[in-house]
Amino acid sequence: DAGVIQSPRHEVTEMGQEVTLRCKPISGHDYLFWYRQTMMRGLELLIYFNNNVPIDDSGMPEDRFSAKMPNASFSTLKIQPSEPRDSAVYFCASSPGGGLNTGELFFGEGSRLTVL
Amino acid sequence: SQQGEEDPQALSIQEGENATMNCSYKTSINNLQWYRQNSGRGLVHLILIRSNEREKHSGRLRVTLDTSKKSSSLLITASRAADTASYFCAAYGQNFVFGPGTRLSVLP
Repeated sequence: DAGVIQSPRHEVTEMGQEVTLRCKPISGHDYLFWYRQTMMRGLELLIYFNNNVPIDDSGMPEDRFSAKMPNASFSTLKIQPSEPRDSAVYFCASSPGGGLNTGELFFGEGSRLTVL
Repeated sequence: SQQGEEDPQALSIQEGENATMNCSYKTSINNLQWYRQNSGRGLVHLILIRSNEREKHSGRLRVTLDTSKKSSSLLITASRAADTASYFCAAYGQNFVFGPGTRLSVLP
């Protein structure tokens, strides 16, 4: 398996623009997580899905952020409009589900977002 | 949430020495996991210890868990320059929240 695939790896945009980050989880994994990492705040859990359904979005900073998982192999995190304080590395991670789920997360390489 | 909180925040040692990092958490857990992050990369799972286990080994890694103190430690023996990275613990229960991590520098 290719692992969790995120795109783009780097994104530079101007304030006010819409940003869409994409994630393809590992096939067969039932859980998908979106994290944001900054020097100041560390790793923050934004939202996670189970079987494509959002379970906990309490970490989503504000209404400018939205996440979708239209099917088991694809998820998006959208920021509209973007602001400089959104600059961070955004990670997607997936985890197997079912009775054998130990919670081990498999991370993508991240999308580094810079908002000017 | 069951956050892991690592200590120390930064650790610098010489190659060949042992490195010990500690983790504390707040509530009951199913297991506790340690992850490693190289600069500019995603986190990689290192080792998992279940709540009914007290110690676990994997290569040069040794993890202990004390559920009465809600704490865990990660020991890396005979460290190498390639071990330079940030290390995170995550206490797994209902949700998955990471602590701030320990930045380990192994000097050649």
